[in-house]
Amino acid sequence: AQSVAQPEDQVNVAEGNPLTVKCTYSVSGNPYLFWYVQYPNRGLQFLLKYITGDNLVKGSYGFEAEFNKSQTSFHLKKPSALVSDSALYFCAVRDRQAGTALIFGKGTTLSVSS
Amino acid sequence: EPEVTQTPSHQVTQMGQEVILRCVPISNHLYFYWYRQILGQKVEFLVSFYNNEISEKSEIFDDRFSVERPDGSNFTLKIRSTKLEDSAMYFCAGGEDRASTGELFFGEGSRLTVL
Repeated sequence: AQSVAQPEDQVNVAEGNPLTVKCTYSVSGNPYLFWYVQYPNRGLQFLLKYITGDNLVKGSYGFEAEFNKSQTSFHLKKPSALVSDSALYFCAVRDRQAGTALIFGKGTTLSVSS
Repeated sequence: EPEVTQTPSHQVTQMGQEVILRCVPISNHLYFYWYRQILGQKVEFLVSFYNNEISEKSEIFDDRFSVERPDGSNFTLKIRSTKLEDSAMYFCAGGEDRASTGELFFGEGSRLTVL
């Protein structure tokens, strides 16, 4: 069965500092990995994805994520946080050998202070 | 920019009643999904729909739940005999390809409150 773990309920960083939101996954086959962001009272918005190739993927709003197969991780990063990055972030996985549904983690609230 | 629209934004119903949540996906999308998010908890997969039939469903999607796309545009989720634990935000999503590599586009959600 597929699963995603986001070990932190909340991450707090100061504006201008680098941020990391952690994600580990478990799938039986090879994964497709995604990050989504949710702002208050809004739906989920796609940030970035790893399908194949370069382990470092770049996405929207300056975010990037690194796929680490040995550690089964896909941590979200940004070199310099903005107050406007404050939101709820979800990691998601899809097993290539399974269906098309995304399985989401429980989410991590990112709070960036000025 | 095209978007997924959902109605109603909020529905309050009595336990045991039936509710229908509606979604208008982006026109060129072929794969459709319903997810739900109980307050403060993770986003949970309910069902996926392709070519006018269910392709996958989770354990949450029991026989009280049904989906259909009767007119080729609206994609609906019906919940019969609602329970208190059905209270959640329900999100519709769509994708344009087999969706194994493509991202999903989500609506803003319909909040269901069962009293």
